Amino acid sequence: QKEVEQDPGPLSVPEGAIVSLNCTYSNSAFQYFMWYRQYSRKGPELLMYTYSSGNKEDGRFTAQVDKSSKYISLFIRDSQPSDSATYLCAMSEIFYNAGNNRKLIWGLGTSLAVNP
Amino acid sequence: KAGVTQTPRYLIKTRGQQVTLSCSPISGHRSVSWYQQTPGQGLQFLFEYFSETQRNKGNFPGRFSGRQFSNSRSEMNVSTLELGDSALYLCASSFGLAGGRTDTQYFGPGTRLTVL
Repeated sequence: QKEVEQDPGPLSVPEGAIVSLNCTYSNSAFQYFMWYRQYSRKGPELLMYTYSSGNKEDGRFTAQVDKSSKYISLFIRDSQPSDSATYLCAMSEIFYNAGNNRKLIWGLGTSLAVNP
Repeated sequence: KAGVTQTPRYLIKTRGQQVTLSCSPISGHRSVSWYQQTPGQGLQFLFEYFSETQRNKGNFPGRFSGRQFSNSRSEMNVSTLELGDSALYLCASSFGLAGGRTDTQYFGPGTRLTVL
């Protein structure tokens, strides 16, 4: 069993829908949680970065961490066709920076298609 | 500001050959990390270079090697290619901050390597 599990999808929604993307994990020591977006033929780009439990909001995006359930979510409100991409979660036990890349554990990604 | 560039974008090689991939980081960034991305394993960390020194290394065999030049540009080399080396190879650059400071990494578009 992988340390981080993520449903690969694909997930297809109509424009304007609320999208929920999720990851589960097994290592209770994870404290830092990230969501990346990867467009086709591009590298991942960081969307949200949260520490420990709770919610964090940035525009149409909300990241939620439930450490008791070992479950993290990314919500996208008023989804747009430009949100069509693969969404990757990543997490770490220790504070994340380039020197700790080895400790960052990635999900496989969920493919999202938002249809106009 | 120019982003992370990787060359070549696509590469086809045969088993047993070797390959060199190149990465030019964002100006001012001193850390370059390399990742292998496959559908089955997701993103896996290869190594990180900072100021021409390998600072971190993932769990890949010695056939995978890298180096960084004084201008922070980095190259990755894979010798004696195997079919399983077919993947998207991503590099990411950052300032390379240490300790408890946030240090976002920016990914390039990747090099798609196919081994026949």
